[in-house]
Amino acid sequence: KNEVEQSPQNLTAQEGEFITINCSYSVGISALHWLQQHPGGGIVSLFMLSSGKKKHGRLIATINIQEKHSSLHITASHPRDSAVYICAVMSGTASKLTFGTGTRLQVTL
Amino acid sequence: ETGVTQTPRHLVMGMTNKKSLKCEQHLGHNAMYWYKQSAKKPLELMFVYNFKEQTENNSVPSRFSPECPNSSHLFLHLHTLQPEDSALYLCASSKESGYGYTFGSGTRLTVV
Repeated sequence: KNEVEQSPQNLTAQEGEFITINCSYSVGISALHWLQQHPGGGIVSLFMLSSGKKKHGRLIATINIQEKHSSLHITASHPRDSAVYICAVMSGTASKLTFGTGTRLQVTL
Repeated sequence: ETGVTQTPRHLVMGMTNKKSLKCEQHLGHNAMYWYKQSAKKPLELMFVYNFKEQTENNSVPSRFSPECPNSSHLFLHLHTLQPEDSALYLCASSKESGYGYTFGSGTRLTVV
């Protein structure tokens, strides 16, 4: 069992839908990242959070430290949001990340 | 461009070849990382460097040899690789605390 679990693994939505991707982890963490990976392979960091909630444009990330759970929400989804969304946690004294397997999102017209 | 540049973007090499992957950042970060992404598996940490010193080797086979000559440059030297080493190799950098985590675009490696 991975230390970081994401659900769903695959998600198809129509343009305009509200999307939620979930991440659960089993270790104590200092921070959690949400990352976006496009088909070319490059990864972009969307959020780094250790408590509460962050918002950037149509993206919202929340974390509940007690429940070891985080969610990434996309409002008014658009085809350009199609990508793999990866949850990663930072734990221990090092700044290395442990990754979930990712959620593949496809937004159609 | 994210600020972390990886070259080459694609590499095909034979099992007896020697090649190197390069990563460069000028973000003022002091930590640099090599990650491996194989098909249908989570990214796996390979190596961590802090202030040019290797602080983590995640049980990586010796056919992968990292080098960090300064805080801005990181190399991954490859020799006698196996076909199962074919993957996307991603470099990342961050401040030592983990803030500012930035990934490169990766090198897609195919071993034939």
